[in-house]
Amino acid sequence: SSELTQDPVVSVALGQTVRITCQGDSLRYYYASWYQQKPGQAPILVIYGKNNRPSGIPDRFSGSSAGNTASLTITGAQAEDEADYYCNSRDSSGNHVRLFGTGTTVTVL
Amino acid sequence: QVQLQQWGAGLVRPSETLSLSCGVYGGSFSDYYWSWIRQPPGKGLEWIGEIDHRRTTNYNPSLESRLLISIDMSKNQFSLKLSSVTAADTAVYFCARYQLGIGLDYWGLGTLVTVSS
Repeated sequence: SSELTQDPVVSVALGQTVRITCQGDSLRYYYASWYQQKPGQAPILVIYGKNNRPSGIPDRFSGSSAGNTASLTITGAQAEDEADYYCNSRDSSGNHVRLFGTGTTVTVL
Repeated sequence: QVQLQQWGAGLVRPSETLSLSCGVYGGSFSDYYWSWIRQPPGKGLEWIGEIDHRRTTNYNPSLESRLLISIDMSKNQFSLKLSSVTAADTAVYFCARYQLGIGLDYWGLGTLVTVSS
């Protein structure tokens, strides 16, 4: 299918660990990239490839992938991690079409 | 440091054409896909399409019949035209740079485009 599905809302206690998942057929063949978006701002890239962080992204962010599921893990969540998170990957149809996941709102309690 | 600056009309009448442009400052213009993404108010991100320096385009199939993305290498800018707009096209439109094997690593600030008469 041409969809990337994410849980709509996830909560995490301050300092605890949260995992955000992204499911889709294309993830069996392509890595996902992950984006953090805060209200009124453009998204920023936080994870790409197998498990790579752009410069300036804290090491509490990590990525993994298994089968049709990609995951973004925040280990030791901070208040500033409260945001929307989106995965992105290629469509599995073979065309050069990219997809965003449905998005997950992370609330830090 | 790479910067993307975008501009265009913030209000478009129904059935008319939405037009936005994005200027790229810093870095190479030739080694990337230049992308458009949109976000309706209160909703998620939607990939619109992309173009590279060879003018190769990839479009979202749901928008392809109304969509034109072009590039001007002499000005380091690329543009979006979406025709026959309706209220459903109201969104914040972002331009961004896509790097193969990495992702959308630089973004513009976004432009709110409202479709209304």
